[in-house]
Amino acid sequence: NAGVTQTPKFRVLKTGQSMTLLCAQDMNHEYMYWYRQDPGMGLRLIHYSVGEGTTAKGEVPDGYNVSRLKKQNFLLGLESAAPSQTSVYFCASSKILWNTEAFFGQGTRLTVV
Amino acid sequence: EDKVVQSPLSLVVHEGDTVTLNCSYEVTNFRSLLWYKQEKKAPTFLFMLTSSGIEKKSGRLSSILDKKELFSILNITATQTGDSAIYLCAVEAGDTGNQFYFGTGTSLTVIP
Repeated sequence: NAGVTQTPKFRVLKTGQSMTLLCAQDMNHEYMYWYRQDPGMGLRLIHYSVGEGTTAKGEVPDGYNVSRLKKQNFLLGLESAAPSQTSVYFCASSKILWNTEAFFGQGTRLTVV
Repeated sequence: EDKVVQSPLSLVVHEGDTVTLNCSYEVTNFRSLLWYKQEKKAPTFLFMLTSSGIEKKSGRLSSILDKKELFSILNITATQTGDSAIYLCAVEAGDTGNQFYFGTGTSLTVIP
């Protein structure tokens, strides 16, 4: 099925460990986004990309890095995980910037202990 | 196959009208249903619903969940042009709540 796929679906990290979340879309969308969702705060934009080879900071970029080496993939990296990064992470993609119709992945639940 | 379906896909109303947006779902091990208003750079959280029949209200917006019939509605009364946005529904499911399924959204346009 076409759509946005996130891996892994869940992960537990120790403080200071690193990891990469992968987002893949097969809809040839130019625009991709990484969000985090925390209780009562809704979705906050971490980083986004307007095309292959480009990335930009969102609302809460600190502690994260991203790369868009291929159009279909958008990677979110945590170099040194902190408990404050415990959250559910969502990836999304869209044909038009800031959507009109964005497709979301199923989420990655990350716990940092 | 787990899925979330929103209707209508788009809606155009005049200021002052009342609108009802629908979200139906088929998932395994339902945990919660969330409504978002998508505008600007990130969706704004509106409601989280976990129990049937309990209306949640915030100003002119309200929402209710029916876990028997597997749907939720979002009502907006006395609509304003600032309500124009895409409204997203998402369902959290799975044994440990690890899966979120998003609908494709309802595009609401409120004209003066």
